[in-house]
Amino acid sequence: GAGVSQSPRYKVAKRGQDVALRCDPISGHVSLFWYQQALGQGPEFLTYFQNEAQLDKSGLPSDRFFAERPEGSVSTLKIQRTQQEDSAVYLCASSQQTGELFFGEGSRLTVL
Amino acid sequence: SQQGEEDPQALSIQEGENATMNCSYKTSINNLQWYRQNSGRGLVHLILIRSNEREKHSGRLRVTLDTSKKSSSLLITASRAADTASYFCATVLYSGAGSYQLTFGKGTKLSVIP
Repeated sequence: GAGVSQSPRYKVAKRGQDVALRCDPISGHVSLFWYQQALGQGPEFLTYFQNEAQLDKSGLPSDRFFAERPEGSVSTLKIQRTQQEDSAVYLCASSQQTGELFFGEGSRLTVL
Repeated sequence: SQQGEEDPQALSIQEGENATMNCSYKTSINNLQWYRQNSGRGLVHLILIRSNEREKHSGRLRVTLDTSKKSSSLLITASRAADTASYFCATVLYSGAGSYQLTFGKGTKLSVIP
């Protein structure tokens, strides 16, 4: 596709449910990032992949958060046993190497 | 945690005026980037300035970088209502094994009044 695609755009989950958020990066982009953005705040780094290798996961807030990119293309961010504080917009971005990031529209998660 | 700190947090100007946003950061960087975000949308890259550059222009945008003061500024000239958005600076630091960190500030919310 022409840009980074994220799905679902909106997700409402009951507290305790597991959710999976998908990111389709721009074809050929090596680097893939996940960010979490709370309302009115800047994006907070979660994790970074270079191809299929997860090189940095220092931003994942707890062991309930898990990300994968098994074939170096599509990535999934999984949140287990969701809590209300997980409510946020989850942004995915990809880039060629170390240049500008191309962002998707984000997945807005609301945990009730 | 967020490395950059934008100033001001919010800015309201009349169409046609210039808008200046500042960004301060704490650690060494390889480059600094500015992004724009319209409400409810993803971020869009505006401009990248490398650590050995002092100034860069792109259309109505002018970015400066002072690594000694660990600060950058974004100037939008002749603003338009369509420039209304949040603007974020992002610092980039290359670490070992091919990895790099791109860290955003909290942003400046710009309102351009027609």
